Amino acid sequence: EAQVTQNPRYLITVTGKKLTVTCSQNMNHEYMSWYRQDPGLGLRQIYYSMNVEVTDKGDVPEGYKVSRKEKRNFPLILESPSPNQTSLYFCASSLIGGEQFFGPGTRLTVL
Amino acid sequence: AQSVTQLDSHVSVSEGTPVLLRCNYSSSYSPSLFWYVQHPNKGLQLLLKYTSAATLVKGINGFEAEFKKSETSFHLTKPSAHMSDAAEYFCVVSDRRYNNNDMRFGAGTRLTVKP
Repeated sequence: EAQVTQNPRYLITVTGKKLTVTCSQNMNHEYMSWYRQDPGLGLRQIYYSMNVEVTDKGDVPEGYKVSRKEKRNFPLILESPSPNQTSLYFCASSLIGGEQFFGPGTRLTVL
Repeated sequence: AQSVTQLDSHVSVSEGTPVLLRCNYSSSYSPSLFWYVQHPNKGLQLLLKYTSAATLVKGINGFEAEFKKSETSFHLTKPSAHMSDAAEYFCVVSDRRYNNNDMRFGAGTRLTVKP
């Protein structure tokens, strides 16, 4: 089944404790992206990647890192999480110029 | 710069009555426009998309939207609401100069369907 998977789905952590949210797609898509969803703001793009080893900042990149060492994986790294990063995170992938497919979301709480 | 405004944060309808979710967009170039739906505790699912072909776009589950360039609108409609339509809906604009990968989301409209 074609899909985008994210892990973990739910995470509660404390300020400053490094964490990684994984994202994987099995559709051989070049493009992958991370968004955060906050009430009243819709989805805002954090980082995106047009292909392996090619990443760029979205609208709200501060406090996040990404890497794209393999085509299928695009992990999101929070080196030192803070409470304002409490949010619902979505990973998405697509062919260049195509419809974006979204993962199920990761709900992160930073205490 | 491109942007999207969803004119209603919450819409409530009765089952069997029409649905109208309003979206206005701003784009310097020919846009692509999308509607996504998010059911509670689920990811986003594409309902329909406009990418410069027919201005009236039909999507899944009986939804459709009409691209009106003169009004810069892309409203989502459905003739008869079903209880399963209760969800959050996002209007999205993207710039075809960047291969549609620079997507801008509206703030969302929560649709409630009353029995």
